[in-house]
Amino acid sequence: EVQLVESGGGLVQPGRSLRLSCAASGFTFDDFAMHWVRQAPGKGLEWVSGISWNSGSILYADSVKGRFTISRDNAKNSLYLQMNSLRAEDTAFYYCTKNWGYNPSGWFDPWGQGTLVTVSS
Amino acid sequence: DIVVTQTPLSVSVTPGQPASISCKSSQSLLHSDGKTYLYWYLQKSGQSPQLLIYEVSNRFSGVPDRFSGSGSGTDFTLKISRVEAEDVGVYYCLQSIQLRGFTFGPGTKVEIK
Repeated sequence: EVQLVESGGGLVQPGRSLRLSCAASGFTFDDFAMHWVRQAPGKGLEWVSGISWNSGSILYADSVKGRFTISRDNAKNSLYLQMNSLRAEDTAFYYCTKNWGYNPSGWFDPWGQGTLVTVSS
Repeated sequence: DIVVTQTPLSVSVTPGQPASISCKSSQSLLHSDGKTYLYWYLQKSGQSPQLLIYEVSNRFSGVPDRFSGSGSGTDFTLKISRVEAEDVGVYYCLQSIQLRGFTFGPGTKVEIK
């Protein structure tokens, strides 16, 4: 069974940094692209970033480009999201999700349970 | 950038009755590879989203056949033939044709009367 477990969320002040992690199991991690998707409390879904199986293709939403960095460690079956210069509007649940194939395109499923990031002073 | 809209944003349905959600894209989602990059997700209350339909009309594994997707180009529809209580939640369409990124629609909340 595929499992994705996010961690690293919490309360952080505006302008500070936070690193999210996603531990993957139940599938061959380095065969698949991965994504981060976020959801502000009570709001809709917003795709954040995607990374190919070998980190050769990386995509970002315009809203986070230049501030967030996605990465992966295939040896550790882990996905990361380094979030710098955080803003109040980055407050959201952050979900890790598995792409159907090795490049970040098409659909993604399943999703982790999410980790909450709250940016506030 | 591609803009994705959904209508209605909210719908209340009697159990056993059909429901339909429209999703429109500002640009064609038909790729030169022949695929149409339009997907449907359901997020039930307190849960993570789950994939229902991929590439317009293909039901994902385990999805009941009362769910169907149709459409082409820029106009798409998700239909539930007979709504059940377990179908309550927010439905999102997703486009992923652009290598610049993916865009979700605003979501349609489906409730039971």
